[in-house]
Amino acid sequence: AQSVTQLGSHVSVSEGALVLLRCNYSSSVPPYLFWYVQYPNQGLQLLLKYTTGATLVKGINGFEAEFKKSETSFHLTKPSAHMSDAAEYFCAVSPQGAQKLVFGQGTRLTINP
Amino acid sequence: EADIYQTPRYLVIGTGKKITLECSQTMGHDKMYWYQQDPGMELHLIHYSYGVNSTEKGDLSSESTVSRIRTEHFPLTLESARPSHTSQYLCASSHPQGAGETQYFGPGTRLLVL
Repeated sequence: AQSVTQLGSHVSVSEGALVLLRCNYSSSVPPYLFWYVQYPNQGLQLLLKYTTGATLVKGINGFEAEFKKSETSFHLTKPSAHMSDAAEYFCAVSPQGAQKLVFGQGTRLTINP
Repeated sequence: EADIYQTPRYLVIGTGKKITLECSQTMGHDKMYWYQQDPGMELHLIHYSYGVNSTEKGDLSSESTVSRIRTEHFPLTLESARPSHTSQYLCASSHPQGAGETQYFGPGTRLLVL
């Protein structure tokens, strides 16, 4: 069965610093990959997704992620953190041909002034 | 921008009560989903529907039931609430678009069963 691992349930960075949130998946066939963000008391919002083509995917709010097949990873980055980036971030996969999402356990991002 | 609504946003209820969590979307999406999310944990799929009169159980076993009588409406019902049902419930919808279709989420319902 597909699984998703997000390293670090809590990441804290200073404002203006690099944000790196890690995601690894288990699959012999590359799945479709997603990053969602959840702000307090809200639902999930899609940040970006990878299906096919270019392995570096750009999303909203300055975030991007790179699909690395050899490492079965899809890490999320942002060059300079902003206070408004504080939220819970979820990596998710959808096996090709399937229509359901499997989520990681989430990473809470805290931004220090 | 997707429009998907959930009511109530917060619900505190006593053990044994019957509750219905409402979910509606205005995008005409065929597919709808219910997820359960405990604090600090991943989302688990508990029910999904690929169209009217079609419902399936998800990966996480749940005592709740769902119905899909109209495309836009996907309510979730608990016949007899228990403290173990305390959680956040998120509704989502999507439309077939080939590879990697995006699911759009509602704001969630936080349920507390006393």
